[in-house]
Amino acid sequence: DIQMTQSPSSLSASVGDRVTITCRASQNIGNYLNWYQERPGKAPNLLIYAASTLQSGVPSRFSGSGSGTDFTLTISSLQPEDFATYYCQQSHSKPWTFGQGTKVEIK
Amino acid sequence: QVQVQGSGPRLVKPSETLSLTCTVSGDSISPYYWSWIRKAPGQGLEWIGHIHYSLSPKENPSFKSRVTISIDRSTNQFSLKLRSVTAADTAVYYCARDATLVTPLGSYYYMDVWGNGTTVTVSS
Repeated sequence: DIQMTQSPSSLSASVGDRVTITCRASQNIGNYLNWYQERPGKAPNLLIYAASTLQSGVPSRFSGSGSGTDFTLTISSLQPEDFATYYCQQSHSKPWTFGQGTKVEIK
Repeated sequence: QVQVQGSGPRLVKPSETLSLTCTVSGDSISPYYWSWIRKAPGQGLEWIGHIHYSLSPKENPSFKSRVTISIDRSTNQFSLKLRSVTAADTAVYYCARDATLVTPLGSYYYMDVWGNGTTVTVSS
């Protein structure tokens, strides 16, 4: 299985901050990488697919980049509703696998 | 607007079979793959497997053949059975649409529509 490792596991930030989350794959996955946001008690929500394509309806402050083994999710200006846990997921090879999550908390 | 809604028993006894059904509304089940994912307490997301109506299901080998995923086009539903459950199978179980974007460079899969999740507890 392809292992996905996110860093950091958690971070504290303020409204308006620029936030960057990193995801590393254990092997080359091209750009077969998705990002999800999970708010407490809610189902995960797709933010970005194919490493950098913004899902319809997702605010443009979210962006994704990377290819191969290293990927980044950036929130350009953190909003109150963005405090949540973020997961990367590879869709290069089954079984699909997720990173362990990055919790974004209020500073 | 497509929606998916999971249903099934919230409490399952150890060694028994967990059975969940996901109902798709607002679109046909036929063109897509449909996934099951779970999140155990204090853990991350774990993909269980997915199915397409015209293809064999693909299950995560980590479940050691305990999983069966099936689909019924006539009712627009797909189902999950997890046998011989233990307390470690206590989790929120999600069903989701596994959308596919086909390009000359490859086929991209991403889970774009999720159900609200069904909390299942394994306990005697």
